[in-house]
Amino acid sequence: SQQGEEDPQALSIQEGENATMNCSYKTSINNLQWYRQNSGRGLVHLILIRSNEREKHSGRLRVTLDTSKKSSSLLITASRAADTASYFCATTTDSWGKLQFGAGTQVVVTP
Amino acid sequence: DSGVTQTPKHLITATGQRVTLRCSPRSGDLSVYWYQQSLDQGLQFLIQYYNGEERAKGNILERFSAQQFPDLHSELNLSSLELGDSALYFCASSLGFTNEKLFFGSGTQLSVL
Repeated sequence: SQQGEEDPQALSIQEGENATMNCSYKTSINNLQWYRQNSGRGLVHLILIRSNEREKHSGRLRVTLDTSKKSSSLLITASRAADTASYFCATTTDSWGKLQFGAGTQVVVTP
Repeated sequence: DSGVTQTPKHLITATGQRVTLRCSPRSGDLSVYWYQQSLDQGLQFLIQYYNGEERAKGNILERFSAQQFPDLHSELNLSSLELGDSALYFCASSLGFTNEKLFFGSGTQLSVL
């Protein structure tokens, strides 16, 4: 079973626009991570946010975490065609156990 | 390039057969994770090893088994294959004990005919 559920399932935007996707999870977590997957290739780690953090930034990425609502959001600002990919949130209840992935949000950025 | 190597890239086999997928983690990484990705099930965690020892188990079928060898490479064995086992199998590694940043290989695409 999957811990995280992303919303929306798919997102289509134009270059330069911002893309926002959400992740909801069911149980308390130790940390939440976001990964990107390009067309059936391996996943690439983007950013990690710990349960005691509320917001983190990395380049054009902004992640928020609301543990009271058991949800997180990933914002990609000024999107580029190269951002076209599937984005997954992953959660873990501790920092050494299994990392469980959601179903992903497919993002298409058109020039 | 993540530094995680998976072989083979593609595997086509028949139902009832047995296959072995191989993974070499990044140099220095002690933890290895196996995931199965399919359209209907998404990314499913199978099993995790740390320095040769099993650390966590997920939705791994009894027909599947894995191990991590002293040189830290890992193998995932799938036996009595069924059509539903067709999927993309990923191996990932992380530096130490923690799962805070996984590096994924490019996967093995398994097709069971």
